[in-house]
Amino acid sequence: GDSVTQMEGPVTLSEEAFLTINCTYTATGYPSLFWYVQYPGEGLQLLLKATKADDKGSNKGFEATYRKETTSFHLEKGSVQVSDSAVYFCALSPNSNDYKLSFGAGTTVTVRA
Amino acid sequence: SAVISQKPSRDICQRGTSLTIQCQVDSQVTMMFWYRQQPGQSLTLIATANQGSEATYESGFVIDKFPISRPNLTFSTLTVSNMSPEDSSIYLCSVVRPGVNTEAFFGQGTRLTVV
Repeated sequence: GDSVTQMEGPVTLSEEAFLTINCTYTATGYPSLFWYVQYPGEGLQLLLKATKADDKGSNKGFEATYRKETTSFHLEKGSVQVSDSAVYFCALSPNSNDYKLSFGAGTTVTVRA
Repeated sequence: SAVISQKPSRDICQRGTSLTIQCQVDSQVTMMFWYRQQPGQSLTLIATANQGSEATYESGFVIDKFPISRPNLTFSTLTVSNMSPEDSSIYLCSVVRPGVNTEAFFGQGTRLTVV
């Protein structure tokens, strides 16, 4: 079945450092890919998504590119802030019309001032 | 965005008892799902709550243990039956609204501890 493998943390960074969280997937067909974020004390929320190969999702300075050739969807941010401290989840759905999500293990990111 | 109210937000229950979790959405949604997040693990889909009919369960989850109701387009319940400590998890409701650029929204979750 479909699955997501995500770099596990925890990850600790200093402010303004570069962040990358690796995510690879296994799926048949044409999955949609997502990054969800869970800030401390808050619910899970969508950070960005891509629905087809070579699409780039971006939001709040974060970016991820859907790479079909490497089955990857790595999350990057060039300069992190303390407010980016959160748990990040990579996820996929079988296609753009199906919202049954398969999640990665989650990566806890802590940004120190 | 969808406003999702999930109740209770947390509970501590005795083993052998059952707990019903409610998910109320502020507007009609096309799809509703229930997920479980066990301690230190990722989210796992339990089932799709189908309006007016039986839920569709994922592998490893059965109706007798996790009965689900969805009487209308804005409300669903998940019951965790005959609980054991292994059922201690966060249970989350997820919804999808109709329209362009749809996304799955999540409730705040119900943190269940079984003692």
